[in-house]
Amino acid sequence: DSGVTQTPKHLITATGQRVTLRCSPRSGDLSVYWYQQSLDQGLQFLIQYYNGEERAKGNILERFSAQQFPDLHSELNLSSLELGDSALYFCASSVVLTSGGPLSGANVLTFGAGSRLTVL
Amino acid sequence: SQQGEEDPQALSIQEGENATMNCSYKTSINNLQWYRQNSGRGLVHLILIRSNEREKHSGRLRVTLDTSKKSSSLLITASRAADTASYFCVMNRDDKIIFGKGTRLHILP
Repeated sequence: DSGVTQTPKHLITATGQRVTLRCSPRSGDLSVYWYQQSLDQGLQFLIQYYNGEERAKGNILERFSAQQFPDLHSELNLSSLELGDSALYFCASSVVLTSGGPLSGANVLTFGAGSRLTVL
Repeated sequence: SQQGEEDPQALSIQEGENATMNCSYKTSINNLQWYRQNSGRGLVHLILIRSNEREKHSGRLRVTLDTSKKSSSLLITASRAADTASYFCVMNRDDKIIFGKGTRLHILP
């Protein structure tokens, strides 16, 4: 268990529908990242939140939106779903360590197990 | 997109042999990390090397970094069946985290 929890693990829905994917970051991590992984596109960065604020945006479609709540969990909303949206959606969280040690100052991601979305 | 490029895209070797994967990138970095992904699972952090370091070891893993060539390599020694996975190099520059496309490693029995 990585400490990052994603729900649901699997989701099957129809084109045109809307779904919400949820992510609870590792305790103490302030940043949440969303990635989409499909067979033909590899791992695509969608969006990053830091302590409730959007920090960076990647290849996120206008049909997709996300937010990070005060308790730091995040949701990714996918609407008007198309067949091509079928993919694994990963959430990752991170904190920049400042207490010394080999990872101090670095941004190391901890990934959840992913949510597999199938659009029929 | 400023993805890194990994080479090779896929690699099959016999169990016990060493596996080497390479990564090239385009911009300056603070550090470079390698992650492993088992099929359909989340990525797991393996090792980090900072921009002022040239080589790092962790168990059977050896990472090198050449900032003048903007390239890194990951060596897995004495490979095992459990090493079958995809390996990603990840460039970290300030707040940006940039993933390579990954190398699929298959260890043959």
